[in-house]
Amino acid sequence: QKEVEQNSGPLSVPEGAIASLNCTYSDRVSQSFFWYRQYSGKSPELIMSIYSNGDKEDGRFTAQLNKASQYVSLLIRDSQPSDSATYLCAVTGYSTLTFGKGTMLLVSP
Amino acid sequence: DADVTQTPRNRITKTGKRIMLECSQTKGHDRMYWYRQDPGLGLRLIYYSFDVKDINKGEISDGYSVSRQAQAKFSLSLESAIPNQTALYFCATSDLRGGPLTGGSYNEQFFGPGTRLTVL
Repeated sequence: QKEVEQNSGPLSVPEGAIASLNCTYSDRVSQSFFWYRQYSGKSPELIMSIYSNGDKEDGRFTAQLNKASQYVSLLIRDSQPSDSATYLCAVTGYSTLTFGKGTMLLVSP
Repeated sequence: DADVTQTPRNRITKTGKRIMLECSQTKGHDRMYWYRQDPGLGLRLIYYSFDVKDINKGEISDGYSVSRQAQAKFSLSLESAIPNQTALYFCATSDLRGGPLTGGSYNEQFFGPGTRLTVL
């Protein structure tokens, strides 16, 4: 059974701070890793993809991957109240995605 | 216009009724998926299709069936709805052309807006 684990939160950070979201996965053959943002009652929105060990930056978002430790993280710099949402980690091998249950992020003004 | 559309957006039905949820996409993707989302349980895969002639069961296919009418259309049916099928249902699409080693995307999935289904 492939598993993707996330702390459910909520993770509370003040506006302007760095939010750090973490995810671990069980399947060592996983090849691709994704972060989705989901606002309450809305559909998941893809915000980051990462395939190789190391860091990948896109605007205020940085994804970090460590395949040896089976660990992927998302950093959000200069957090804004509009970043308040649930963040889903997803992992895939060759066919389907396995999603974590998500971490709720609350950014206070 | 949205790339992935779902109809209906909301549906209330009664136990035992047959329900069909429809998904259409204009992204030109070959792969389509149906998920349900329940509070505390996350997103769970119901069925997926890699092309028109390919249908695969996901993690929780019991009580559901699907039809891939065309590359762009993928429907989910509840043959006899029951209350524990009350959930938020999402359709998603992906394109496996290329891959990370060739600079392409690898199974990035894009979601429709969802259907909120309530079974009384």
